[in-house]
Amino acid sequence: SQTIHQWPATLVQPVGSPLSLECTVEGTSNPNLYWYRQAAGRGLQLLFYSVGIGQISSEVPQNLSASRPQDRQFILSSKKLLLSDSGFYLCAWRGRQVPSLYGYTFGSGTRLTVV
Amino acid sequence: AQSVTQLDSQVPVFEEAPVELRCNYSSSVSVYLFWYVQYPNQGLQLLLKYLSGSTLVESINGFEAEFNKSQTSFHLRKPSVHISDTAEYFCAVRPSGAGSYQLTFGKGTKLSVIP
Repeated sequence: SQTIHQWPATLVQPVGSPLSLECTVEGTSNPNLYWYRQAAGRGLQLLFYSVGIGQISSEVPQNLSASRPQDRQFILSSKKLLLSDSGFYLCAWRGRQVPSLYGYTFGSGTRLTVV
Repeated sequence: AQSVTQLDSQVPVFEEAPVELRCNYSSSVSVYLFWYVQYPNQGLQLLLKYLSGSTLVESINGFEAEFNKSQTSFHLRKPSVHISDTAEYFCAVRPSGAGSYQLTFGKGTKLSVIP
């Protein structure tokens, strides 16, 4: 069966420090991968998505970047965190075949607090 | 492009009372529709989806949603809520078909079940 792992679960980082959040998917190949941010009162904001290794699409220009070094690994990074980067970060994947084709499966999320 | 409007940001309801969470969408093409549920500090879980066929879809925990094409709605209902239904609910839409489309989410509705 397919599973998605996201870590860490919580993170407190000072302003100006770097960030690396990792997401891996098991039990599938060549998934579409997504990073979302959820901030209070703002719903889900799509940050990046990837349809293959090394292929990253950015939806919102900002202080963050994403990389996909392996087929089932998706990394969210920042060189210098801002206070506004605080939020709940969610990784998701979607398969290319039924039934995983039609909806996203989300990881358990990372609560990032920038202080 | 698609858009999703969840008209209520918060819905308080007494235990065992019925509830309806409203979702309206806008799209120039045919769509698939989804409801996701998010419990505190967790990722999103797929609750139910409409792809085609019967316009009434049901989840395993008593929720149902009805696709109304003429009113472009996909409201979520439950005849009798439990305390455990307290969560945030997200409506989402994507173009129909097997292409690499992104989900568009509403801003979410927080359901609070009052004992």
